[in-house]
Amino acid sequence: GAVVSQHPSWVICKSGTSVKIECRSLDFQATTMFWYRQFPKQSLMLMATSNEGSKATYEQGVEKDKFLINHASLTLSTLTVTSAHPEDSSFYICSARDFQRGDYEQYFGPGTRLTVT
Amino acid sequence: QKEVEQDPGPLSVPEGAIVSLNCTYSNSAFQYFMWYRQYSRKGPELLMYTYSSGNKEDGRFTAQVDKSSKYISLFIRDSQPSDSATYLCAMTSSYNTDKLIFGTGTRLQVFP
Repeated sequence: GAVVSQHPSWVICKSGTSVKIECRSLDFQATTMFWYRQFPKQSLMLMATSNEGSKATYEQGVEKDKFLINHASLTLSTLTVTSAHPEDSSFYICSARDFQRGDYEQYFGPGTRLTVT
Repeated sequence: QKEVEQDPGPLSVPEGAIVSLNCTYSNSAFQYFMWYRQYSRKGPELLMYTYSSGNKEDGRFTAQVDKSSKYISLFIRDSQPSDSATYLCAMTSSYNTDKLIFGTGTRLQVFP
């Protein structure tokens, strides 16, 4: 149980375009989902926390107008990278908490590798 | 200074060896400590979760926390080639359990 999927697993887009990444909890309901970014040989950095039905909370230094997060249901959150630039190329990982378990564990998706050319 | 420091490795050991992975931290507010394993191009998988000083054992894995020294460790006994991965420590404070602060990860290679 507690499986999180992401789609796509990798994407290449041109500079200036937008790309959407989906994060789904497959077998549980997730009131809270998290979006992380991981650059090569660096830590996972939390970008934002999204709660179902409300606006996401962004970490300091993360542009909310550039990284649009929508958490429309208890099993789906999306991250849209708008007007992508090469420096946005990174590994984006989502995680989710299982509402019914009531613990703090975050279950991570497999990640999406974004390359902006 | 980073909040969490972790030696990036790589650490290369023979099969059967005992592996010791370590993290230090600077924020005394951190109360919950986790170890994740991440295979290449995959998301992290939770291995161990502790919240008190001392040792916690789960199979071949032992997590150790020393809050007075702000130091945590993960020991892997009888290491296997399948243990080859990057190991990330992570921690949170009691007032913001949602925000995981990760170390950079230590890459481990276990050779047959």
